[in-house]
Formats: sequence, structure tokens, C-alpha cells
Amino acid sequence: DTGVSQDPRHKITKRGQNVTFRCDPISEHNRLYWYRQTLGQGPEFLTYFQNEAQLEKSRLLSDRFSAERPKGSFSTLEIQRTEQGDSAMYLCASSLAGRSGNTIYFGEGSWLTVV
Amino acid sequence: AQSVSQHNHHVILSEAASLELGCNYSYGGTVNLFWYVQYPGQHLQLLLKYFSGDPLVKGIKGFEAEFIKSKFSFNLRKPSVQWSDTAEYFCAAGYGGATNKLIFGTGTLLAVQP
Repeated sequence: DTGVSQDPRHKITKRGQNVTFRCDPISEHNRLYWYRQTLGQGPEFLTYFQNEAQLEKSRLLSDRFSAERPKGSFSTLEIQRTEQGDSAMYLCASSLAGRSGNTIYFGEGSWLTVV
Repeated sequence: AQSVSQHNHHVILSEAASLELGCNYSYGGTVNLFWYVQYPGQHLQLLLKYFSGDPLVKGIKGFEAEFIKSKFSFNLRKPSVQWSDTAEYFCAAGYGGATNKLIFGTGTLLAVQP
């Protein structure tokens, strides 16, 4: 088990630019999650996939955000027309539904700074 | 609203001191409860979880937590902390028995002085 990996780990972008983050879950995990964490706060749920289907989206996920998991393996999270308020850590996580109580394993996160 | 409260934002202890971090959840129905730890520069790791059964849950690294339904609490404890326990600790809840969407508290930063 190589863990959940995320890329890039850090991204600095100018306001108005688009950014994309990639997440590779633990192999064979069928669920994949995106969370967002700002300084001084705990992670906040954004969305999750079971295989390639996006089953739930938080109201935090505005229409500038889009997540995909086209083949049920890796996932991308794209933020269009970034705003300063998008600056945060974007966490990816994965789990195997039905196994070990669906324990969720987190990646190290991708830091986004919008200037 | 469904929420998780962690009232201790910063805790400073000396090595060998006992630890108790508070966590309260807001929902009276079925709830799954978790404690995660984040060591400096590392990812969130699961310490322990409670789904049902024995309300005293033992986790990794000598941590335990007790689910007290009447108090809506799931406090984390360790009888004797070590310097290596310095980290941020997050309590989380899956309401309605959910395991796919967790509500996290704001975290408690623990500093253990050698």
C-alpha cells in the first residue's frame, strides 16, 4: 500500500487562473474523497466518488470547482477563475467501502495559494 | 446543524503527563466517531474509531477514547504522553452512520515538552 498521493504538493497561482490537482488513491480503493482545509480549521468535505460516479457534492463546491474520476482510479479537482478565498489545503482521501468499516485514508494534501 | 466541537485549541503538557482532549458532537441519532492525528509535515492518520459496541475504544500508540452518548462526547485520552505525541488532533463524526462524509472539529494542537 503506497498511500494516497497528490500532485502538486504546492501551487501558487494568480487570481483568475485555473488550477488542477491530481489524486491517486490507494490501489483497489473504490471510494475517493476531496476535502478542503484552511488554517485553523478542520477538513471540510467537498465531494466523493464511488468508482467513477460522483455521489455527493457539498454546497462548498461552487460551479467554479469540478472533480472527475473518469476511470474509477485517479481523480482531478479543477478550480476555474481562482479567487483568493480558494487558498487552502486540498486533501484527497480514499477508502474501500465495506472493508474495515470504510476507514478513510488521507493524502498529504495540495497547498494552493492564490495571489 | 451537524457539527463537531473541540474546545481545547492548544494544549501544552510535559512528558509523562496524562492527556484528555474533549470532543462533542451535535446529533442524537446514529453517529460514527473518529480521532485523527496529524504529525508535523505529515498526512492525517486514523488513531481510533467508534461505530458501535464497547464504548471504550483503544487505538494505536496507547490512545483510547470513550463514547458517552448521554454527553454527546468522545474524548481522547492517553495516560502518559511522550514528546513524539506533539501533533494536531482532529475529532470527526459521520452522522446517520455515514462513513463517506465526515464532519471534522477545528483540531487541538498538542505540544509536549520534554
